[in-house]
Amino acid sequence: AQKVTQAQTEISVVEKEDVTLDCVYETRDTTYYLFWYKQPPSGELVFLIRRNSFDEQNEISGRYSWNFQKSTSSFNFTITASQVVDSAVYFCALSEAIPGGGKLIFGQGTELSVKP
Amino acid sequence: DTGVSQDPRHKITKRGQNVTFRCDPISEHNRLYWYRQTLGQGPEFLTYFQNEAQLEKSRLLSDRFSAERPKGSFSTLEIQRTEQGDSAMYLCASSLEPLAGGLEQYFGPGTRLTVT
Repeated sequence: AQKVTQAQTEISVVEKEDVTLDCVYETRDTTYYLFWYKQPPSGELVFLIRRNSFDEQNEISGRYSWNFQKSTSSFNFTITASQVVDSAVYFCALSEAIPGGGKLIFGQGTELSVKP
Repeated sequence: DTGVSQDPRHKITKRGQNVTFRCDPISEHNRLYWYRQTLGQGPEFLTYFQNEAQLEKSRLLSDRFSAERPKGSFSTLEIQRTEQGDSAMYLCASSLEPLAGGLEQYFGPGTRLTVT
């Protein structure tokens, strides 16, 4: 069965600190996809990134970076120099390979609070 | 606004009543997903459509729940004989077909259901 675990329920940091959100997943598929979504206080889930299981390159987008390690089944998300606007709940998700796939299996989320 | 829209945004109903929610996906997206999110949890998959065909239903979707997408455009989710345990945020998402590169799902603002 597929499962996503986000062990950190809540994280609180002070603005400009770096913060890493952990995500560990379980799947029997050899091909799969991993995602991060942000849910700000307004409630709408916002897509941040997708990573394919066959592409282990890390990715950086501005202050955001993602570290995918297949050997440890982890897909961690780092925010550098955090800002108050980063305060939100962040979800890691997994989907099985196409063509059958599509549905997302979400973790329980990590609530990030960035204080000024 | 070309994003996913959902109506209504909030619904309060009494136990035992029927409710229906609507989702309008991004116009060129042929996949449409329904999820349910309770407080402090990640979204849980309910069902999805490719065009008008309902391809998968979660075991979470009891026989009181029914979803339709009659013309392959908007979708409705109906809950019959609502129970207090149905209180949740109901999220709709859409994507292109995965084989066409549509792996990312874009979410609507959700319908918050409160059953009293």
